[in-house]
Amino acid sequence: GAGVSQTPSNKVTEKGKYVELRCDPISGHTALYWYRQSLGQGPEFLIYFQGTGAADDSGLPNDRFFAVRPEGSVSTLKIQRTERGDSAVYLCASSISGSSNEQFFGPGTRLTVL
Amino acid sequence: KQEVTQIPAALSVPEGENLVLNCSFTDSAIYNLQWFRQDPGKGLTSLLLIQSSQREQTSGRLNASLDKSSGRSTLYIAASQPGDSATYLCAVRKNYGGSQGNLIFGKGTKLSVKP
Repeated sequence: GAGVSQTPSNKVTEKGKYVELRCDPISGHTALYWYRQSLGQGPEFLIYFQGTGAADDSGLPNDRFFAVRPEGSVSTLKIQRTERGDSAVYLCASSISGSSNEQFFGPGTRLTVL
Repeated sequence: KQEVTQIPAALSVPEGENLVLNCSFTDSAIYNLQWFRQDPGKGLTSLLLIQSSQREQTSGRLNASLDKSSGRSTLYIAASQPGDSATYLCAVRKNYGGSQGNLIFGKGTKLSVKP
């Protein structure tokens, strides 16, 4: 079946602009995670949704970052007033509750802020 | 605060060799541990998941072990092939007492298998 998909695959924007990154989880997966990966580093947690609600947003670096999942499936990560330091690969993962909780990752969105 | 360390940072071996990648974590209160493979410019592919109550998991030429009390896991790759060349990431999920939670990753080991 289809895996986790993310769009766009690449996004180039200018400092100060607003961007939206989209994640389509595996159908039926109730948990959805956003991570950010900088060059040469492992992914770092941003936010976790269980259904429609954000169960843990402790990884969001500041209030310029926000994420939603209004219908419990697709999620959008929103970044306001982008800064050059926001440049990274943004990864989305999903898992199904009540099982092994194995997380399955999408291909990521590479964000470049000029 | 949970910290995950992977040693070595990079490894180059000739084709056919057996090899071991190491992962250590500072807080033994984990729910599970997951090994991933990441190819350049790509997302993460899950290789093996070990629950905290398990000691090892096997899939094909891969074997992952877990020693929770000492905070260590190893990924053993048998008869390595050039197609195994990738970055291997180890991640632990903290035991929050619930059924879900985020992963904490190491920086990875970049493996190169030479033909």
